[in-house]
Amino acid sequence: NAGVTQTPKFHILKTGQSMTLQCAQDMNHGYLSWYRQDPGMGLRRIHYSVAAGITDKGEVPDGYNVSRSNTEDFPLRLESAAPSQTSVYFCASSHVGVSTEAFFGQGTRLTVV
Amino acid sequence: GQQLNQSPQSMFIQEGEDVSMNCTSSSIFNTWLWYKQDPGEGPVLLIALYKAGELTSNGRLTAQFGITRKDSFLNISASIPSDVGIYFCAGLNYGGSQGNLIFGKGTKLSVKP
Repeated sequence: NAGVTQTPKFHILKTGQSMTLQCAQDMNHGYLSWYRQDPGMGLRRIHYSVAAGITDKGEVPDGYNVSRSNTEDFPLRLESAAPSQTSVYFCASSHVGVSTEAFFGQGTRLTVV
Repeated sequence: GQQLNQSPQSMFIQEGEDVSMNCTSSSIFNTWLWYKQDPGEGPVLLIALYKAGELTSNGRLTAQFGITRKDSFLNISASIPSDVGIYFCAGLNYGGSQGNLIFGKGTKLSVKP
């Protein structure tokens, strides 16, 4: 079992470029979410999904899009990257339910120059 | 929005010392989670707490879910060098169709020089 796999681990993007961060889980979890981690800010949820075809906004959704076509994958898309989106991005996975712990991927460190 | 106040922000430990950290909130949570993050890695779940007053141990780690449901603490006994890292508390509440994890800003554990 790989758990939650994120690719790439590192990436440098120019302002205005687009990019997709990949997240895949093999635990048959229904709930997937994206967080960004910034110094002094902790982790903040960007978007989440409870099932294929269902997505919703988190705390900081602006500038990001997501889609969920199957159970395993939950890509995060930056259509026009901005320097403010320089961050470490984590995908998290859990069973659907209100009291279930989340398991995190290893993260993608993204720099927008 | 909801916030978690995690303290201390950082601390230095000497091998063998006991360590305490805590999280407080003005809001009630249904679940408290404690994670550890090593450099370049995603957060790893240490302990999950589901009931007010619950006290749970995982090896040298002990965590408690506060009676008021607005706080939680984590203790590490007899610390060892591999305890170094960033510890995050996270509160989970019922929000929409899936609970939202609210993270503290972390407690950074370092070794005393």
